[in-house]
This record gives sequence, C-alpha cells and structure tokens, in this order.
Amino acid sequence: DTEVTQTPKHLVMGMTNKKSLKCEQHMGHRAMYWYKQKAKKPPELMFVYSYEKLSINESVPSRFSPECPNSSLLNLHLHALQPEDSALYLCASSWGGGANEKLFFGSGTQLSVL
Amino acid sequence: KNEVEQSPQNLTAQEGEFITINCSYSVGISALHWLQQHPGGGIVSLFMLSSGKKKHGRLIATINIQEKHSSLHITASHPRDSAVYICAVGGGDSNYQLIWGAGTKLIIKP
Repeated sequence: DTEVTQTPKHLVMGMTNKKSLKCEQHMGHRAMYWYKQKAKKPPELMFVYSYEKLSINESVPSRFSPECPNSSLLNLHLHALQPEDSALYLCASSWGGGANEKLFFGSGTQLSVL
Repeated sequence: KNEVEQSPQNLTAQEGEFITINCSYSVGISALHWLQQHPGGGIVSLFMLSSGKKKHGRLIATINIQEKHSSLHITASHPRDSAVYICAVGGGDSNYQLIWGAGTKLIIKP
C-alpha cells in the first residue's frame, strides 16, 4: 500500500465553523506533512510531524491546529478560518523526515471558506 | 531572483514529441525532486536525485551538480502526460523544507 488517503476531498465551511481534515498512511512512514497550495502556486509547508512530534510549524496562524494521534494518522483542525484560507490542503509522508527523502502525497482537500 | 528557476513556464507540444523541462538552482542541495501534478489533484513524486541520471519508463531525469542544473525529459509524449511538472530542491538550511520551482505546465495535444 503506497497510498496517502485524505478526507474529505472537498470542504465548504463558514468562518465560524469548526472542521477537521484527515490524512492516513500505512507505509510505516514516520514523517507526515501538511502543505497549503493556492491556485497556480507551488505548495507551502505548514507543519511537519516526525516520529509523532511536531518538528516544524512554519508560522501558521493558530486557527490551524495539527494533531498526530499515531504514526499513521494526521489531522488538521480548522476553526474561525478566513476566506483567504481557501486553498488545496495536501498531506504528505516520508520515511523519517528530511528534504532528501521521497515524498508521498495525498490527493488533497479542496477547501472553500465562505 | 528565485532560488529555483524552471523553464519554460508553459509548453504545448504534439503527441509523440520529445519534451525537455529545465530547472536551475542557486543554493547548495542534497537532493533534487521532480514532481507531477494533474489538474485538481495530488502530487506524484517522479524522481529524487543527487547525481547523474535516472530513468523510469518514458521519463528521464538528469542533474549536473557543478552547473546546478537539472532536466526532465519525456520521450514519445502522450496526452496523459499533460500536467504541471515541478522541480524542488532540498538540503539547504532546513532539514524538511523544500524550495519549490514555479512549475511548468505541459499540454500534449493528440
């Protein structure tokens, strides 16, 4: 199984809503990532978990809250988002973390904030 | 000047043509990645290389460390190759952060 599964594929939420994005992999990878991608732009790294510990938080607003319940699961909790947060949110994983490792990406969650 | 530059930004070709996409970078790296993204979708890692050349099916990636340049070639291109191809480099200041190119949008016409 070389898949990274993300749910939901699409999400529309109001600025007062609370929602969560989910990501799952069963490749035994110990590093998991959240990226944000705006249209026609490259992905921007948001968070990295390595061995279930938050290793990187790229100055992301607190309305985005990551959680790594175990080595296979990664969540992104969303609260009080702004319309400018509308984007494609991509989850990825790699063996242990590091920029010289192959990344495996999910198909993304297309988020629209109204 | 961006640290990772790709050319061309857009490329339209006929089915069967040989395709070359270029990537130049200005930072020290430990690895260079070529990735593919279809419209509305996730990203697939095609190659990760730190030297020489790699081949997978109709795709070939090369890197010249001295010249800080990499190329992605597609032989016998097919409409299903239509996608955005992205070059990204890693191994600079951050252990996890990749520096991404802006991508090359490739359209292969039947």
